[in-house]
Amino acid sequence: DGGITQSPKYLFRKEGQNVTLSCEQNLNHDAMYWYRQDPGQGLRLIYYSQIVNDFQKGDIAEGYSVSREKKESFPLTVTSAQKNPTAFYLCASRSRDLIYGYTFGSGTRLTVV
Amino acid sequence: EDKVVQSPLSLVVHEGDTVTLNCSYEVTNFRSLLWYKQEKKAPTFLFMLTSSGIEKKSGRLSSILDKKELFSILNITATQTGDSAIYLCAVEAGENNDMRFGAGTRLTVKP
Repeated sequence: DGGITQSPKYLFRKEGQNVTLSCEQNLNHDAMYWYRQDPGQGLRLIYYSQIVNDFQKGDIAEGYSVSREKKESFPLTVTSAQKNPTAFYLCASRSRDLIYGYTFGSGTRLTVV
Repeated sequence: EDKVVQSPLSLVVHEGDTVTLNCSYEVTNFRSLLWYKQEKKAPTFLFMLTSSGIEKKSGRLSSILDKKELFSILNITATQTGDSAIYLCAVEAGENNDMRFGAGTRLTVKP
């Protein structure tokens, strides 16, 4: 079955550490996105990539980094520069024809301890 | 600045009730408006609306877009406890067709 997989589902990080969240899709979608979801704030765009080896900052990119070396993969690194990283992170992908909405992964809940 | 506003933020109803969720927007170069249902983790796609006045329907759910007044509504009739979820509205707009989300409406349906 085609889909988008995020791992891990839960992640605990100590202050000062970098962590990387995985996002893999086998839908052959060109575009991939990372969103952060906080209670009462909806989804906010961190980074997006419309093609391999290219990505753009979203509204809240500070303290995050991404790479897009393969079409299937779009990992997100939460760096120590992100001051409030505890949140629910959602990865999404979309086909080039933009006919349908996003397909979302199941998310990663990151907690700083 | 582009914005998407959903109301109410929270709603509690009983099974069998009909609910209407609202989404208003102010964006540049509107392309489409989408509704998603988020139960626990991944939001799932409900509707995509691009034209005014054309109702989209799926079972007990329906949605319509008004591009003149810049809003959309999502109706759920004969609600069931399984309809309990966060309903997200998103608007696709701008040069890169970025998708901007509202804060969501948390719907709770009590037996």
